[in-house]
Amino acid sequence: EVQLVQSGAEVKKPGESLKISCKGSGYSFTSYWIGWVRQMPGKGLDWMGIIYPADSDPRYSPSFQGQVTISADKSISTAYLQWSSLKASDTAMYYCARRGAASDAFDIWGQGTMVTVSS
Amino acid sequence: DIQMTQSPSSLSASVGDRVTITCRASQNIYTYLNWYQQKPGKAPKLLMYVASSLQSGVPSRFSGSGSGTDFTLTIRSLQPEDSAIYYCQQSYSTPDTFGQGTKLEIK
Repeated sequence: EVQLVQSGAEVKKPGESLKISCKGSGYSFTSYWIGWVRQMPGKGLDWMGIIYPADSDPRYSPSFQGQVTISADKSISTAYLQWSSLKASDTAMYYCARRGAASDAFDIWGQGTMVTVSS
Repeated sequence: DIQMTQSPSSLSASVGDRVTITCRASQNIYTYLNWYQQKPGKAPKLLMYVASSLQSGVPSRFSGSGSGTDFTLTIRSLQPEDSAIYYCQQSYSTPDTFGQGTKLEIK
């Protein structure tokens, strides 16, 4: 079964760092882009960025450039999203998703990781 | 960034109705348009890609059309399980922006 499994919910304080993960299985992890999507509470979907695990080439939305880092470790079929200094406004659900080779759409999604940043 | 605008923001319809949601891009995106369905507490699910291609496993009552800047998602013979928020997304150029969503309620 093709799936993306994300790490569990996190509760952090402002200023702390965080790295969440997304592990792919059931397909060739290095052959598909993996993207990250933010969904703030009660809001819509925000495309954050995408990475090609074969060469760890990330692309960022200008809205998120410099705010987060997207990386991947192809040896363990895992993509990451990290923050060096969290803000309360980073509180959101974060989804990873696979970009289909033929569709250019996110065809497989992780279950989401809820990040709560509160003092 | 390419802006995606959906209309309406919300709608209510009855079981068996035909529903149309529109999505407009701020520039020509050819047919690089995708549609997703999101139910409460769940990850989004891909319904349609490249404007009119039905994702595997998605019921055939869903259909998509359009090219350039104007697109539509049509659900014919609405079912109770179609209650959800629907998002369009352009994949023509990075960042692959989403529309703001359309909330569909079943009466």
